[in-house]
This record gives sequence, structure tokens and C-alpha cells, in this order.
Amino acid sequence: DVKVTQSSRYLVKRTGEKVFLECVQDMDHENMFWYRQDPGLGLRLIYFSYDVKMKEKGDIPEGYSVSREKKERFSLILESASTNQTSMYLCASERGGYNEQFFGPGTRLTVL
Amino acid sequence: DQQVKQNSPSLSVQEGRISILNCDYTNSMFDYFLWYKKYPAEGPTFLISISSIKDKNEDGRFTVFLNKSAKHLSLHIVPSQPGDSAVYFCAASEVGGSARQLTFGSGTQLTVLP
Repeated sequence: DVKVTQSSRYLVKRTGEKVFLECVQDMDHENMFWYRQDPGLGLRLIYFSYDVKMKEKGDIPEGYSVSREKKERFSLILESASTNQTSMYLCASERGGYNEQFFGPGTRLTVL
Repeated sequence: DQQVKQNSPSLSVQEGRISILNCDYTNSMFDYFLWYKKYPAEGPTFLISISSIKDKNEDGRFTVFLNKSAKHLSLHIVPSQPGDSAVYFCAASEVGGSARQLTFGSGTQLTVLP
């Protein structure tokens, strides 16, 4: 079974704090993704990575950065958290050449 | 501008009946379509997919239909069960790029009534 884990299920931070969301997958997948899910908007892609140290912007990258130093780990960084970044954050991984993404359980981030 | 649209935020169906969830898209370059199911406090899980070279794909109680000329796809669940109650997301991807990006719809909350 593919397993995608995220470091926290719930997180509360203050405006201006630097926030790290960690994601780890155990199936040697090449591609990893970060989404945010908001009511009425579905899942929107923030960033993705197709290889170690490689990254590409998704649809809504503003205010976020990412890091992929190892194949199994993909981090999402909020340099200076703002209240409009309060959301559910979902990480996914996918074997290159296939189309099925496997998702982690999500991190509910609240920025006060 | 949403490229993948699920116009029904919610749907209620009686147990044993058919559930039909709909999805429309605008990007002609999409060539692969997927449905995901999401329970509260869990990540989405893959349900079924279809390539643009097909018009139907079936997996047990789940069937996805694709109408390319209308840019429309639908998910049929027969018979519906209470455990099917979840949010269903339609997603689409296109050829090209370094990795296939999925574009998701806004989701439809399905409630199956016992």
C-alpha cells in the first residue's frame, strides 16, 4: 500500500510566522504535489516536484515555497503566514508516467 | 476561470438507487480524467479514471462516461450504498510538461440515505 504521511493533522500559527509542512511518501514516487483545499474551490495546485531539487509552480504559488532535498520528502514553506492561508493542505505523490496521485490525510492550518 | 466544473455542490440519493455525478470541462487539451472520493478528515482516494480515447470505463459499481464533443463526463454509482456518502472530485490532466498536473473541480457532496 502506498503511504503518504503529513507531519501534522492540525496546526495553529500566528500571522507572520514561518510555517513548515512536511510530507513523506514510501513508494519511491518521482512526482510530489502540494494542494490546498477550500470550500467551493476544490483542490488547487500550489507547487509540484518531478525530481529531487526540481520544482515547478502550480496555479497558486504566491506566498509559498517548497523544498525537495530527498526523493521521499517534499516540504511546503509559508515564509510569513497570513490569515488568507488558513486552509486544508494536501500532499500527494505519483509514480512518473502514471496518472494516479496518492494523497496524504491533510493538514488543517489555521493562521490567527 | 475554472477549467473543470462540478455544478452540483450536493446530491442526495436513496440507498439502492443510482447516483449520477456530473462534471464539465473547458480545456480541449485534457486527455485523461479521474474521479476521487474524499471522506471528512481524510485525503482524497482514487476511484476510477478514463482516457480520452474511450467513452466508458467500468469498475464494479462505478462507471465513468466521457462525452468529448460536449466536454462532459459523469460518474454513475449503481447501486448506491450509505458508505458511498462522501465528497466526489472530478479531475483532468493534459499531455505535456514535466509531470502531469491535475485540475480539480470543486466537488459534489453525495449523501446516500438508508
